[in-house]
Amino acid sequence: QQQVKQSPQSLIVQKGGISIINCAYENTAFDYFPWYQQFPGKGPALLIAIRPDVSEKKEGRFTISFNKSAKQFSLHIMDSQPGDSATYFCAATTQSGYSTLTFGKGTMLLVSP
Amino acid sequence: DAGVTQSPTHLIKTRGQQVTLRCSPKSGHDTVSWYQQALGQGPQFIFQYYEEEERQRGNFPDRFSGHQFPNYSSELNVNALLLGDSALYLCASSSLGGVTYEQYFGPGTRLTVT
Repeated sequence: QQQVKQSPQSLIVQKGGISIINCAYENTAFDYFPWYQQFPGKGPALLIAIRPDVSEKKEGRFTISFNKSAKQFSLHIMDSQPGDSATYFCAATTQSGYSTLTFGKGTMLLVSP
Repeated sequence: DAGVTQSPTHLIKTRGQQVTLRCSPKSGHDTVSWYQQALGQGPQFIFQYYEEEERQRGNFPDRFSGHQFPNYSSELNVNALLLGDSALYLCASSSLGGVTYEQYFGPGTRLTVT
């Protein structure tokens, strides 16, 4: 059972455009939702994260929107740059106890110059 | 401040062999989690160690085992390797005393089983 569904699988955006990646979760016990960025040959790097007590969190060009009732959250990359080309993973976990991350399958983003 | 380090970077093994992968957590972190990332997939949780004990385990067979040392570093052992074990193995560290849900990943070990 896939607990975190991510879409799209791949995405091509022009430089300066907005990249949008969506995720949906099933387990209502999840209360922490991070996004990771992974470049080829590297490990995932924590990009930004949100808790369900807020509907939006912004850090620079990256924004997470969160809809608790729909059990959905999304990553928006504003003014996308070629250097943003990477694979992005959404994840979910609980803040209590021994937290383990449940990942989506990833979105391969290509920002064309 | 050193981040999470893993060794070796790459490894090629034959079916049936055994392999040991190593991880040193980020400074100040005491909890280590291991994940398997197959090509084109998201990381899958294998197990988590704290205070030298396995605290959580994902849906992986007993061929996968681990260990945590007093200095918080950790090893992942895989016995009787199968072709399907070929993957990027990631170590993530966090701080149980602080925020265990905020996990930081190492660069991974690429394991190829032939």
